[in-house]
Amino acid sequence: EAGVTQFPSHSVIEKGQTVTLRCDPISGHDNLYWYRRVMGKEIKFLLHFVKESKQDESGMPNNRFLAERTGGTYSTLKVQPAELEDSGVYFCASSPHNYEQYFGPGTRLTVT
Amino acid sequence: RKEVEQDPGPFNVPEGATVAFNCTYSNSASQSFFWYRQDCRKEPKLLMSVYSSGNEDGRFTAQLNRASQYISLLIRDSKLSDSATYLCVVGGGRRALTFGSGTRLQVQP
Repeated sequence: EAGVTQFPSHSVIEKGQTVTLRCDPISGHDNLYWYRRVMGKEIKFLLHFVKESKQDESGMPNNRFLAERTGGTYSTLKVQPAELEDSGVYFCASSPHNYEQYFGPGTRLTVT
Repeated sequence: RKEVEQDPGPFNVPEGATVAFNCTYSNSASQSFFWYRQDCRKEPKLLMSVYSSGNEDGRFTAQLNRASQYISLLIRDSKLSDSATYLCVVGGGRRALTFGSGTRLQVQP
């Protein structure tokens, strides 16, 4: 069974630009989560989808971040405009039953 | 105060040693508990779920004490391949996971 996949693996952009991260969950997993790790800090929750609906977006830092999951399959996380403090590793995770979560390899975002 | 507290280590142990990690969490409403393992520049991988009754998977034993809000992980007969960062992770009522900063383990030959 294929695991959670994320694209791109790395992204380097300039401050003020836009970046879109993509996550493909494990097939059949209704629950999809985004997390972020900034340097020197622990992994922090961003938001949670159940199918195409946002269940919890309490961790989204501000309105420069927009997450979508059209059709309840893959999800995108857009950062517009990117700021220096957005640099970090963005992880996606999926779960079939809202309990154990399986993580993708992450997207390492660097904003210069 | 962090929601999930762990000793960052590093724990440097010889092969074959037994090592124990502890973790405390602050939210008494937490409902699910896990240990994840993370290798350098990789994603967290689920090691095991943690139950009040305690659970064992091979050389790994996890224990939860809800009254003390304390979680432990014991690794017996350490292998070189056990070298990694071990993340204590707690699930809240809204299902988001809260991560500790991790405890680094280095097993030496």
